Amino acid sequence: SYELTQPPSVSVSPGQTARITCSGDALPKKYAYWYQQKSGQAPVLVIYEDSKRPSGIPERLSGSSSETTATLTISGAQVEDEGDYHCYSTDSSGYPLFGGGTKLTVL
Amino acid sequence: QVQLVESGGGLVKPGGSLRLSCAASGFTFSDYYMTWIRQAPGKGLEWISYSSSGGGAVYYANSVKGRFTISRDNARNSLFLQMSRLRAEDTAVYYCARVIGQPNVENYSDQWGQGTLVTVSS
Repeated sequence: SYELTQPPSVSVSPGQTARITCSGDALPKKYAYWYQQKSGQAPVLVIYEDSKRPSGIPERLSGSSSETTATLTISGAQVEDEGDYHCYSTDSSGYPLFGGGTKLTVL
Repeated sequence: QVQLVESGGGLVKPGGSLRLSCAASGFTFSDYYMTWIRQAPGKGLEWISYSSSGGGAVYYANSVKGRFTISRDNARNSLFLQMSRLRAEDTAVYYCARVIGQPNVENYSDQWGQGTLVTVSS
């Protein structure tokens, strides 16, 4: 079955660049989306269609996709960026899938 | 602004039933597909069901097909999830979300409720 694979955790110091990857065989033909989930809260869309930012999302969060890997980049990570990040896409038949999530620690 | 408020979660015994509700406001509810997504404790997100804007087309994950039923009342701006034959592995926070796009083509959820916890335990 199709899967989206994320690293379980990423850790950076404040001000550094954090990169979270999401790998999936259908990503060359399907958009990737990213959700941020802070502790005890609902997910929030931070990137859609690979690289677009919804209004209100800081410019330091950006997305890109190349071949089978989508990447969420947080430039100059801040403590308030800590949380879980989930990638989302669909398989070749349109079935919706989430990655396993990546816990970002900024300290 | 868009608001989605889930309710109806709680503790239920294995084999029991529960009905979740999601009250929508701040947008034209009848224009959008809606979805339920769940998150087991300490785990990732899992899509479980879509409803078309009019409610005539519904989709389910294999894990809940035949046990869960999604429905909506556009006059009351409400989405529902009737859950039956519940199992311990259905324990999760259940989120309703608005869908941009449609199933079987590009689609994603842009607005989420705060979730309601369902615990299945004897």
